[in-house]
Amino acid sequence: DARVTQTPRHKVTEMGQEVTMRCQPILGHNTVFWYRQTMMQGLELLAYFRNRAPLDDSGMPKDRFSAEMPDATLATLKIQPSEPRDSAVYFCASGPGDLRNEQFFGPGTRLTVL
Amino acid sequence: GDSVTQMEGPVTLSEEAFLTINCTYTATGYPSLFWYVQYPGEGLQLLLKATKADDKGSNKGFEATYRKETTSFHLEKGSVQVSDSAVYFCALSDEGSSNTGKLIFGQGTTLQVKP
Repeated sequence: DARVTQTPRHKVTEMGQEVTMRCQPILGHNTVFWYRQTMMQGLELLAYFRNRAPLDDSGMPKDRFSAEMPDATLATLKIQPSEPRDSAVYFCASGPGDLRNEQFFGPGTRLTVL
Repeated sequence: GDSVTQMEGPVTLSEEAFLTINCTYTATGYPSLFWYVQYPGEGLQLLLKATKADDKGSNKGFEATYRKETTSFHLEKGSVQVSDSAVYFCALSDEGSSNTGKLIFGQGTTLQVKP
């Protein structure tokens, strides 16, 4: 049963600290998406990749957020420095690259910045 | 740009009641339409989809029909259960010139089903 995995599931940190979230997409999927979910803003697309290349990261605050795919089995989202307003659930999703197909979501990383 | 609008929630129903969650969209191309469901503490998962006008997607007793003339994709279920309590998201994929593979989500509608 192929699934997207995310680590950590929960993270509590203090303002100013670096946070790294990791995602393992489903093997064979060539598109990866990072979303942020909050009560106020709902679900926001932060960045996405196709074949490990970033296609769009316009939804991401550039000064503190960065997203990379070091290899086909790992996507990372980094926040440096973190701020309380970054507190949210961050989801990774992967897809087979055919836009008629679904995106498969991971369980999310719940981030709390104090 | 493309967008999705859902009815505001929460929607509160008694068990076995009929469910409708409205969804309308704006798109320049010919999108595929999706309903995703998010159970508490979990990620989103696909509930059903339709890829062209007049297609009906169905799964787990839920149905939605792609209506191009009214730009709608309303979600329906004839008899809801307590286990259907979740947040439901309507979404479209951009199949126009940009062909990005992105999904554009609505704001989500919370459904609460009481026994």
